[in-house]
Amino acid sequence: EPEVTQTPSHQVTQMGQEVILRCVPISNHLYFYWYRQILGQKVEFLVSFYNNEISEKSEIFDDQFSVERPDGSNFTLKIRSTKLEDSAMYFCASSESRAKGIGTNEKLFFGSGTQLSVL
Amino acid sequence: AQKITQTQPGMFVQEKEAVTLDCTYDTSDPSYGLFWYKQPSSGEMIFLIYQGSYDQQNATEGRYSLNFQKARKSANLVISASQLGDSAMYFCAMRSLGGGRRALTFGSGTRLQVQP
Repeated sequence: EPEVTQTPSHQVTQMGQEVILRCVPISNHLYFYWYRQILGQKVEFLVSFYNNEISEKSEIFDDQFSVERPDGSNFTLKIRSTKLEDSAMYFCASSESRAKGIGTNEKLFFGSGTQLSVL
Repeated sequence: AQKITQTQPGMFVQEKEAVTLDCTYDTSDPSYGLFWYKQPSSGEMIFLIYQGSYDQQNATEGRYSLNFQKARKSANLVISASQLGDSAMYFCAMRSLGGGRRALTFGSGTRLQVQP
């Protein structure tokens, strides 16, 4: 079965540094997402991306965050200047969604996550 | 705003028995989807089952079934014939099916432990 691939699986960085988390969504999927899960807490939505632009973002997704689809396969999340509170598991996800709106049965496929530790 | 509530932080079940994991939700959206995901200790999020608010019948996927009671705003997951490999964290989630919003709202999860 096709899967969403995330690299690296673990990332350690110093506070204030930039990090880029990488994802390869499933090839025929149209919607891409980033979620995060702080240890012991809920999974939280960050951003969704469709047709090469952000379609929805949460309050967490501030100016320190950006997403990009630099080529036909990769989808990246950049954190410009990491803070201690950015330490979390970051999940990439994708969905097919040929149809939009009411009636869409959308199965979201998640990657295995990148554990980001900010020191 | 949407809200998912999972009131059972932890559950135990004997192998081969059935278990129900509770999920209640709150939304003002007329049309929405409900999801269950499994997160084993390895960390990945595995899709289990989906129920649309417009679906007349409860969803089933193998040993998983969703007990959807729209009037009560509940979407409980039933796992039949539990296996040791079912031990994991289980998350209920929902999203609107209209207005272009695609974000999933997750509950806080239930940790299920299957005992031999």
